[in-house]
Amino acid sequence: DTEVTQTPKHLVMGMTNKKSLKCEQHMGHRAMYWYKQKAKKPPELMFVYSYEKLSINESVPSRFSPECPNSSLLNLHLHALQPEDSALYLCASSQDPGGLSYNEQFFGPGTRLTVL
Amino acid sequence: SQQGEEDPQALSIQEGENATMNCSYKTSINNLQWYRQNSGRGLVHLILIRSNEREKHSGRLRVTLDTSKKSSSLLITASRAADTASYFCATRGYSTLTFGKGTMLLVSP
Repeated sequence: DTEVTQTPKHLVMGMTNKKSLKCEQHMGHRAMYWYKQKAKKPPELMFVYSYEKLSINESVPSRFSPECPNSSLLNLHLHALQPEDSALYLCASSQDPGGLSYNEQFFGPGTRLTVL
Repeated sequence: SQQGEEDPQALSIQEGENATMNCSYKTSINNLQWYRQNSGRGLVHLILIRSNEREKHSGRLRVTLDTSKKSSSLLITASRAADTASYFCATRGYSTLTFGKGTMLLVSP
């Protein structure tokens, strides 16, 4: 299984809602990532989990809260978002978290988030 | 920032023609990768070239890397309508990928 799955595919939420994005991989990868992508822009790294521990937080606002319950799952909890947070949220995984790794990243299809 | 800059931003060609996209970056890298993204969907890894490699081939794809100029190119030969997508270069430093701005390729039948 070389697939990264993400749910839901689409999400519309109000600024007072709490919602969660989910990501799953069964490739035995030990690094998982959250990216945010605005229209016609490149993906921007938000968080990196390495061996289930948060290793990189790219100064993401606290209204985004990542969680890695186990080596196959990655969640992104959303609370009190702003309309400018509307974007495609991509999850990815790779075999090796870092160092002199030559690993590619496998991406999920993304969750299209709209904040009203 | 070691963000890559792709050139051109948009490219429109006919089926059967070759498409060349260029990428420049700013700092030293571990490797450089190219990804494809169909409209509004996830990215698909195409090819990876290590910092000590100069050229790599995969099917209809040819990638070159010039670390002295901090640049790379992606050539897609004999393009097909299905190649229509955005193409991103991504540079790998120690632990993360940084994506360039991308080239939107349109291949017309």
